[in-house]
Amino acid sequence: EVQLLQSGGGLVQPGGSLRLSCATSGFPFNIDGMTWVRQAPEKGLEWVASIGRGDDRTYYPDSVKGRFSISRDTSKNTLFLQMDYLRADDTALYYCAKRSEVADGSAFDYWGQGSLVTVSS
Amino acid sequence: DIQMTQSPSTLSASVGDRVTITCRASQSISNRLAWYQQKPGKAPKLLIYKASTLQSGVPSTFSGSGSGTEFTLTIGSLQPDDFAIYYCQQYNLFPLTFGPGTKVDIK
Repeated sequence: EVQLLQSGGGLVQPGGSLRLSCATSGFPFNIDGMTWVRQAPEKGLEWVASIGRGDDRTYYPDSVKGRFSISRDTSKNTLFLQMDYLRADDTALYYCAKRSEVADGSAFDYWGQGSLVTVSS
Repeated sequence: DIQMTQSPSTLSASVGDRVTITCRASQSISNRLAWYQQKPGKAPKLLIYKASTLQSGVPSTFSGSGSGTEFTLTIGSLQPDDFAIYYCQQYNLFPLTFGPGTKVDIK
């Protein structure tokens, strides 16, 4: 059974840092693509970062490039999102998600439960 | 960046109704489109990928069609469990982008 269990959210001041974790099981984490998607309060879904399938190439939208970093520890089957220079508009529920094996691209078939990040002074 | 739009933004319907949601991309994305369902307080759930392929375990009342820039999600007979927000997502190019969502609520 595929499971994604997130941890690491919380309240942080503007300009601060936070690291989210996503512990996985039930699939070959070392070769599957993974992603982070966020959802601001009462808003839609926004893609935040992806790490490649079978390699460690990383991808970011301009809104977080240079501030956020996605990585993984294959020995612990855990995905991370390091968030630096946080801003108020980074406040959101952050989801980790697993790339589907059959979708011929980055569609996401399993999701974590979400981690709330609040950026406020 | 590829912009995704959805219509309508809200749809009021009754159990048993046939419902159609439209998603449009600002440029061709071939068939690299996914549909997700999200209920309050829950993570999104993948319904359809490659525009028309039903994800394992998703009821056959859901169907998808389209290619290029115009896509549709159809719920053949709306069930009580289907009242939710539906999002499309293109995965043809980075940055990945989602539509703004369509809320399906009870008439």
